[in-house]
Amino acid sequence: QVQLQESGPRLVKPSETLSLTCSVSGGYASSYYWSWIRQPPGQGLEWIGEIYNSGSTNYNPSLKSRVTISVDRSKNQFSLSLSSVTAADTAVYFCARLWSGYFDSWGQGTMVTVSS
Amino acid sequence: EVVMTQSPATLSVSPGERATLSCRASHSISSNLAWYQQKLGQAPRLLIYGASSRATDIPARFSGSGSGTEFTLTISSLQSEDFAVYYCQQYNNWPYTFGQGTKLEI
Repeated sequence: QVQLQESGPRLVKPSETLSLTCSVSGGYASSYYWSWIRQPPGQGLEWIGEIYNSGSTNYNPSLKSRVTISVDRSKNQFSLSLSSVTAADTAVYFCARLWSGYFDSWGQGTMVTVSS
Repeated sequence: EVVMTQSPATLSVSPGERATLSCRASHSISSNLAWYQQKLGQAPRLLIYGASSRATDIPARFSGSGSGTEFTLTISSLQSEDFAVYYCQQYNNWPYTFGQGTKLEI
């Protein structure tokens, strides 16, 4: 069974870039499709984007200008980069495996706070 | 963007009772709908996909129905571990979108 674990800085300054990594175990990052999803404190879920095993990506239009998702096959990881962050980007960030459009395996999530 | 609307926002029920949660899509999404359960401090867990197919290891008391724009998640006999927030998600169109959640409480 695939297991996912997010890692990265918990505190990011406004206007800087948020960078997170999701480590994959029990499977190959190059074999599946992956997504990032976030959840602001006390709020609902927002899909950020996805990457296919071909390397092609799709992003939420609301974030598209600031988001990059990539895969590092050598480390069996995939990553999220979100630039020019503001307090509105404070959230728990989840990585997840995408399966036919829904998310069947999730990381535990990591809380990222944007503050100076 | 497809807007997903869940009702009610909060549902108060007792253990052993039946719970019915609703999800409405702003446009037809065929059967491309999933349901998730999220407990406090945890990641969401997939319950239902394809509107009515149970995910691996999900108990039979969870069932989903609907197609087009109207969907329902039914929990036939609530157990204590079922009290959580439930989200629906459409995957018929990009961007994938979630409902705002229904909190199931005692």
